[in-house]
Amino acid sequence: DVKVTQSSRYLVKRTGEKVFLECVQDMDHENMFWYRQDPGLGLRLIYFSYDVKMKEKGDIPEGYSVSREKKERFSLILESASTNQTSMYLCASSLQQGANGYTFGSGTRLTVV
Amino acid sequence: LAKTTQPISMDSYEGQEVNITCSHNNIATNDYITWYQQFPSQGPRFIIQGYKTKVTNEVASLFIPADRKSSTLSLPRVSLSDTAVYYCLVGDLLNAGNNRKLIWGLGTSLAVNP
Repeated sequence: DVKVTQSSRYLVKRTGEKVFLECVQDMDHENMFWYRQDPGLGLRLIYFSYDVKMKEKGDIPEGYSVSREKKERFSLILESASTNQTSMYLCASSLQQGANGYTFGSGTRLTVV
Repeated sequence: LAKTTQPISMDSYEGQEVNITCSHNNIATNDYITWYQQFPSQGPRFIIQGYKTKVTNEVASLFIPADRKSSTLSLPRVSLSDTAVYYCLVGDLLNAGNNRKLIWGLGTSLAVNP
């Protein structure tokens, strides 16, 4: 089975801190994604990448950046964490043509205080 | 862009068939329809994907009418462990650049009762 691993299940950070969320997939998928999930708002795409060193903005990229130096790893960076970035963050990967959809990690619940 | 609409919640009983419908009136020619299941504190899990007519796998069926403006996820003989949130996703999965245009529904919370 494809496995997508997110480095932390729970994180608590202070306002203004720089936060790194790491994601690793083990099935050689070309595409990787970062979503955030909030009650009543569903899943919203922050950034995605379809190749190493390539990145594309999603629906809500403000306040975030990403890094993809290796095919299996996709990092989400909160440059200066704010309380409105408190959320569940989900990483996902997929084949180039999206067959069989996304495989998601278990999520990181980030609280910014 | 396609917009997806699903019921907020549904109730069922063990052993029954459950049908969850997603409306996507503005679906585009290249869009696929995918359904996911999510349990608390976990990421969504792929259930089934289709383009038109009917698709069936070991856990569910997906019915898509000819106009493709809606789709129905069918779960046969549900059990308590099927209690989860089910999401409909519509979009063009074949073109990487269109990933930003994928539209998620807000999810249907299914409660299966004994």
